[in-house]
Amino acid sequence: AQSVAQPEDQVNVAEGNPLTVKCTYSVSGNPYLFWYVQYPNRGLQFLLKYITGDNLVKGSYGFEAEFNKSQTSFHLKKPSALVSDSALYFCAVRPNRDDKIIFGKGTRLHILP
Amino acid sequence: DADVTQTPRNRITKTGKRIMLECSQTKGHDRMYWYRQDPGLGLQLIYYSFDVKDINKGEISDGYSVSRQAQAKFSLSLESAIPNQTALYFCATSDSRTGAGETQYFGPGTRLLVL
Repeated sequence: AQSVAQPEDQVNVAEGNPLTVKCTYSVSGNPYLFWYVQYPNRGLQFLLKYITGDNLVKGSYGFEAEFNKSQTSFHLKKPSALVSDSALYFCAVRPNRDDKIIFGKGTRLHILP
Repeated sequence: DADVTQTPRNRITKTGKRIMLECSQTKGHDRMYWYRQDPGLGLQLIYYSFDVKDINKGEISDGYSVSRQAQAKFSLSLESAIPNQTALYFCATSDSRTGAGETQYFGPGTRLLVL
């Protein structure tokens, strides 16, 4: 079955340190990959996506993600965390162009002052 | 996204009652979706519609129904609410014309409590 996994329910990072939120996927073919963020009492907001091309994708708020086909991963990264980055982060995959998007269960990111 | 609105934002109802959650969008998108969010379970797709005449079941459609009244409006109904339908419900839209990079835009959510 096609799926996306976020192995960490929660990630804690000190402010100013680099952060990584992990995502792996299991789909056939060449998937399209996304990251969304959810702030308290808000809907999900699009952060970035990988469609094709450069494996390093840059997105909103200084976030970036690296697509690694051999490891079937799409980890979200930021060089220096801010307290305001604290939120719930969702990885998502669209297996093929006409497929529905599949969301991971989410990872709660806590940035400690 | 302010272009995707949901009403009501909060709702308390009793077991057995029929309720409707409404979603409207001004983005001109052809595709609309209903999800529910439960802690630790992420987002689960309830129903989706790729255009006005197209309605499809998602992962967890039992106990729910939908209506796509117009391209801009997509309503979710609980015919007879039960407590385990207590959740946060999100509407989302997307534009099929953007191709493979099609991104979903979410409403602010409706928090539903079934007593």
